[in-house]
Amino acid sequence: GENVEQHPSTLSVQEGDSAVIKCTYSDSASNYFPWYKQELGKGPQLIIDIRSNVGEKKDQRIAVTLNKTAKHFSLHITETQPEDSAVYFCAASIGGGGNKLTFGTGTQLKVEL
Amino acid sequence: DADVTQTPRNRITKTGKRIMLECSQTKGHDRMYWYRQDPGLGLRLIYYSFDVKDINKGEISDGYSVSRQAQAKFSLSLESAIPNQTALYFCATSDFAGPGETQYFGPGTRLLVL
Repeated sequence: GENVEQHPSTLSVQEGDSAVIKCTYSDSASNYFPWYKQELGKGPQLIIDIRSNVGEKKDQRIAVTLNKTAKHFSLHITETQPEDSAVYFCAASIGGGGNKLTFGTGTQLKVEL
Repeated sequence: DADVTQTPRNRITKTGKRIMLECSQTKGHDRMYWYRQDPGLGLRLIYYSFDVKDINKGEISDGYSVSRQAQAKFSLSLESAIPNQTALYFCATSDFAGPGETQYFGPGTRLLVL
């Protein structure tokens, strides 16, 4: 089955700096890669996703890049703010009916003032 | 997300007890999932259901069972709780709409098995 590795496990940045979280996946058939944000005391929430026919996707201060050849994808957060502090999970799946998400182990991001 | 609710939010139980965690959703989604979250291990799938008559095991189903009572309700049972089942449990829903499917998570149930 699919295996997703995520690094780093913790990340501390100064407010205004950029943050990058990286994930690798093992199944070359995976074609859907979402990122979830989990705030303290809440369930994970989708913040951005990318499909394998796209190399990069942006939504305001967040962006995701995908390198299918190397089987890795990354989350980029620019101009970080205190409210970006949370746990971030990457995931991978073979999109379409009957397939499930495999999650990475999570990154605790702390944005310091 | 208020559309996916979980009860109870916190539960303390003793080894050997049977407990049930409940999940309800008002999103009208057919697919429902139960995950377990442990520090450093991310989210691991326990069971999932694609409709009322469909139940499937995930990667860590041993020691757990589920019941899909209706489209909106999906319950997780621990038949005989053990301390290593202490974890944060999440229910999620999704609606199949082509490649990739967003999962919507409930607020979680924190379980402590003594």
